[in-house]
Amino acid sequence: RKEVEQDPGPFNVPEGATVAFNCTYSNSASQSFFWYRQDCRKEPKLLMSVYSSGNEDGRFTAQLNRASQYISLLIRDSKLSDSATYLCVVQTGNQFYFGTGTSLTVIP
Amino acid sequence: DAGVIQSPRHEVTEMGQEVTLRCKPISGHDYLFWYRQTMMRGLELLIYFNNNVPIDDSGMPEDRFSAKMPNASFSTLKIQPSEPRDSAVYFCASKEQTPYNEQFFGPGTRLTVL
Repeated sequence: RKEVEQDPGPFNVPEGATVAFNCTYSNSASQSFFWYRQDCRKEPKLLMSVYSSGNEDGRFTAQLNRASQYISLLIRDSKLSDSATYLCVVQTGNQFYFGTGTSLTVIP
Repeated sequence: DAGVIQSPRHEVTEMGQEVTLRCKPISGHDYLFWYRQTMMRGLELLIYFNNNVPIDDSGMPEDRFSAKMPNASFSTLKIQPSEPRDSAVYFCASKEQTPYNEQFFGPGTRLTVL
C-alpha cells in the first residue's frame, strides 16, 4: 500500500469555482502534513502546512482528519494562476512521502 | 540566499555512460534530500543526509546509483552505468534541523538517457 494516495485528476474548473482535493495516508504515526504546488517543469514549492485544527491562507483552506487519515485542500474563487499540480506530503519521522499529485486547470 | 542550486539543469547521455548530478543546499540547512520524479511514479525519495551523513538510502534503485556529501555545501548523485529507464527529473532539496520545517527544492536536473 502506498504511503500517500491522491486522485490524479485532472480537475478542469472555470474561474471563480471552488475546488477540493483529498489525500489519504497509510501510517497513523505520521506527524506532519503539507500541500506543495508544482508548476509545469518547475520544482515543488510549499503551499501550506496542514494543522489538526485546520488552517486558512487567503483563498486556500487545509484540513486534517487524523481519525480517517486524510487531508484536504480547498481552493475558493479559483484563479487562472492556480493552474498547477498539487502534491500532498506526509512526514513520518524524517521521511517525507509525496503523493503523485492532482492536476488542476482553471479555465477562463 | 540563492536557494538550492543544482547542476547541470539538463543532461543528455547515452546508455552506459556515467552521469554525475550536483547539488548545493541552502547554507545552514542540515538535511539534504535527493528525489527522482517521473510521470509514472511521481516524486520518489532516493536518499537523504543529515549533517553530511547518509541516513536512509533505501530508495536508491540499485547499485548503479551512489550519493555522497563530502561537506555541508555540496552533494553528488552518480549513476554508473546509466540506462534509459533512469531518464527522469532529479531534484535536490534541503531543510533546517527543526523537524517541521519545509523542504526547499532546487530547480532539478532533467536527465535523458538514450
